Amino acid sequence: DVKVTQSSRYLVKRTGEKVFLECVQDMDHENMFWYRQDPGLGLRLIYFSYDVKMKEKGDIPEGYSVSREKKERFSLILESASTNQTSMYLCASSFTLPALHENPRYEQYFGPGTRLTVT
Amino acid sequence: AQSVTQLDSQVPVFEEAPVELRCNYSSSVSVYLFWYVQYPNQGLQLLLKYLSGSTLVKGINGFEAEFNKSQTSFHLRKPSVHISDTAEYFCAVPSKTDKLIFGTGTRLQVFP
Repeated sequence: DVKVTQSSRYLVKRTGEKVFLECVQDMDHENMFWYRQDPGLGLRLIYFSYDVKMKEKGDIPEGYSVSREKKERFSLILESASTNQTSMYLCASSFTLPALHENPRYEQYFGPGTRLTVT
Repeated sequence: AQSVTQLDSQVPVFEEAPVELRCNYSSSVSVYLFWYVQYPNQGLQLLLKYLSGSTLVKGINGFEAEFNKSQTSFHLRKPSVHISDTAEYFCAVPSKTDKLIFGTGTRLQVFP
């Protein structure tokens, strides 16, 4: 079974703090993603990475950065936390296979989420 | 641009009743469609997917979905729900840039 783990289930931080959210996957997946989930808005992509040391902005990258120094680990960084970053953060990973009919990048495996509260 | 619309934010239903969760998509590229489920306090997991072939797709836990190209829909169905099906369900479609676009989710609440 694919395991995607996130460093914390619940986190409470103060405004202005630097926050690190860690995600680790154990299936040698090339692709990793960070989303935030808010009621009524579904999942919104923050950043993603298709390879080590590679990163791409998603739909809502402002106020966030990421780091991928090792294939299995993808970190999300809030440089200076603000109250509007209170949310559920979900990490996901997926693999790439030389399949003919499938694009496995779409089949993502998710971690349990980190509920971050910024006060 | 690709997009997904889930018309119902909440669907209440009694146990053993049938349920349909609606999803409509717009896509200008080849259509792949997905349903994910999020049980309380958990991450998302893949329920089923349509890539090609038969338009009726069967997934885990007795769920199925039908791809309807003319109506641009991919509705999720189950003939008889259980309490344990209480969860949030997300429809998703890939974007042109290889990412997944999720709908806003439908919360299925099953009552005894």
